Amino acid sequence: DAGITQSPRHKVTETGTPVTLRCHQTENHRYMYWYRQDPGHGLRLIHYSYGVKDTDKGEVSDGYSVSRSKTEDFLLTLESATSSQTSVYFCAIGSDSNQPQHFGDGTRLSIL
Amino acid sequence: KNQVEQSPQSLIILEGKNCTLQCNYTVSPFSNLRWYKQDTGRGPVSLTIMTFSENTKSNGRYTATLDADTKQSSLHITASQLSDSASYICVVSPGDYKLSFGAGTTVTVRA
Repeated sequence: DAGITQSPRHKVTETGTPVTLRCHQTENHRYMYWYRQDPGHGLRLIHYSYGVKDTDKGEVSDGYSVSRSKTEDFLLTLESATSSQTSVYFCAIGSDSNQPQHFGDGTRLSIL
Repeated sequence: KNQVEQSPQSLIILEGKNCTLQCNYTVSPFSNLRWYKQDTGRGPVSLTIMTFSENTKSNGRYTATLDADTKQSSLHITASQLSDSASYICVVSPGDYKLSFGAGTTVTVRA
């Protein structure tokens, strides 16, 4: 298995609170991605990173921010969580657009 | 808009039987198509990846086909096992990070 660790694996929080999810890789891959997965939808890209301090928005970036201060860590922050952000969040890594992205096991986030 | 449609949404098969999952896409440009398996509570794991010039690729009991002209792909599972119970996701790449994901087909294998 590719060395990707997501933390926490589960979190329940209240509307309006800030939340930070962490993705840690041991593969030294350049590219890191955050997706969300919701019932009836395919995975949707939130943000991605193509290097330390280099990030860009995906298709569903509103309400989310990211940071990457080290190659191995990619953080996803919900500044003020809303119920619509209840989802399962997956981190992925990759080094080449033609190679399969490797996914972490996800963080299940519930916002009440 | 780039889209990936998978069918059926779910299916139930008996252990030992075969099944075929379908994927139709409208993504353009096209670079490659991937099939992933996602077990409950886990992240997706890659099964196969096919570029424009490949029309068949196998991974054990999984065989994927691609018809780039009709923009269709299928995933065939041979002699199903209980461990094949999972969601199978079709993903199309235009050649960069902008992958288009299908919603998946949930397969349940019954003893």
